[in-house]
Amino acid sequence: SSELTQDPAVSVALGQTVRITCQGDSLRSYYASWYQQKPGQAPVVVIYEKNQRPSGIPDRFSASSSGDTASLTISGAQAEDEADYYCNSRDSSGNNYVFATGTTVTVL
Amino acid sequence: EVQLVQSGAEVMKPGQSLRISCKGSGYSFSTYWIAWVRQMPGKGLEWMGIIYPYDSDAKYSPSFQGQVTISADKSINTAYLQWSSLKASDTAMYYCARLSIRGRANWFDPWGQGTLVTVSS
Repeated sequence: SSELTQDPAVSVALGQTVRITCQGDSLRSYYASWYQQKPGQAPVVVIYEKNQRPSGIPDRFSASSSGDTASLTISGAQAEDEADYYCNSRDSSGNNYVFATGTTVTVL
Repeated sequence: EVQLVQSGAEVMKPGQSLRISCKGSGYSFSTYWIAWVRQMPGKGLEWMGIIYPYDSDAKYSPSFQGQVTISADKSINTAYLQWSSLKASDTAMYYCARLSIRGRANWFDPWGQGTLVTVSS
């Protein structure tokens, strides 16, 4: 079982804001990174190192963290943001990497 | 451009051995960890392990220790994932990804395009 947990699915109206959370004890010690995966495609990092966006990732993607919970926020969701989102960090031992179970985002 | 290119899809029978590859370009391949990630059909991402091509230091997820072997040949900028005896439950998409580590942060970027392994009798 994953040491990082996410809600399985969320929906958001076009242009509205949605927050995806990731919970785990290791997040008190390590930052989360966030990945977007569209059907039939490889994952792509959208947020890394607390709240950094790679070039090409829109600034509507942002991240925050508090205690054992990390959050990814999509402000003004677009149709192309419909995808699965995964958070990743180390496990509680710090020796392994772990992906959370993933959240499917539906844009209505 | 930093890029990882994986070998093509494989259809195998149970009990067969297999090695798939991941070739890096556009950066110093030897000095970044390469990770392997499994995604079973309709399921999420699972971290399998990592290798540091410079000295071939490999670390495995407890879930995959003893089930696969990760190796690398820095002379040709290529990492490998290997099975000695495939099972039907190994059917999955396998991704490689470059791992960056900075303090308390880590991230996987870029990712290879994936190698689909199908194991069926």
